[in-house]
Amino acid sequence: AQTVTQSQPEMSVQEAETVTLSCTYDTSENNYYLFWYKQPPSRQMILVIRQEAYKQQNATENRFSVNFQKAAKSFSLKISDSQLGDTAMYFCAFRSPLLTSGTYKYIFGTGTRLKVLA
Amino acid sequence: GAVVSQHPSWVICKSGTSVKIECRSLDFQATTMFWYRQFPKQSLMLMATSNEGSKATYEQGVEKDKFLINHASLTLSTLTVTSAHPEDSSFYICSARDSWGGSTEAFFGQGTRLTVV
Repeated sequence: AQTVTQSQPEMSVQEAETVTLSCTYDTSENNYYLFWYKQPPSRQMILVIRQEAYKQQNATENRFSVNFQKAAKSFSLKISDSQLGDTAMYFCAFRSPLLTSGTYKYIFGTGTRLKVLA
Repeated sequence: GAVVSQHPSWVICKSGTSVKIECRSLDFQATTMFWYRQFPKQSLMLMATSNEGSKATYEQGVEKDKFLINHASLTLSTLTVTSAHPEDSSFYICSARDSWGGSTEAFFGQGTRLTVV
């Protein structure tokens, strides 16, 4: 069974600084997707960034980038130039390959609460 | 981008009554929708996978008679919490994937905060 582990329950970073959130996962699959979702106080889940497992190049979205280490099954999120609006809960998620049921399964980590300090 | 609308955003009900939560994909079709439960400061726990036109697939430990799921169309799935009790109070979130658009990520509704008194 797949698992997703986020070992940092809480983190804080000074505004404009850089912070890295850790995520490790376990799977025997070769083709899958990884995501980082943000959940601000409004509780709305927002996609931050996605990574295809078959791509070696790390995904980047503006201030957000990932360090994807497939062999190590590691998928960390780096937030550069942190902003107050980045304060939120961040969830790492794994999407399985297509299952025999015809759907996919999304598995979420336990989350990291990030607080950006002014 | 794809939008998933969840309604209501919050509801308070009396113990023993039933509550229905709707999840709609507004600008795409979703053959599959997912229902999650989130306890305070915890992760999302998958309750069930809702399949259009067929029975939902429940995760282990989730009572299918307690949490009724109906996915009657490609844009609507409903979760009914039957005979609600205070321990059912939680934050419920639905998500859907654009089945035909080829998107890889799941889009989430705004969530429903259920309080059973």
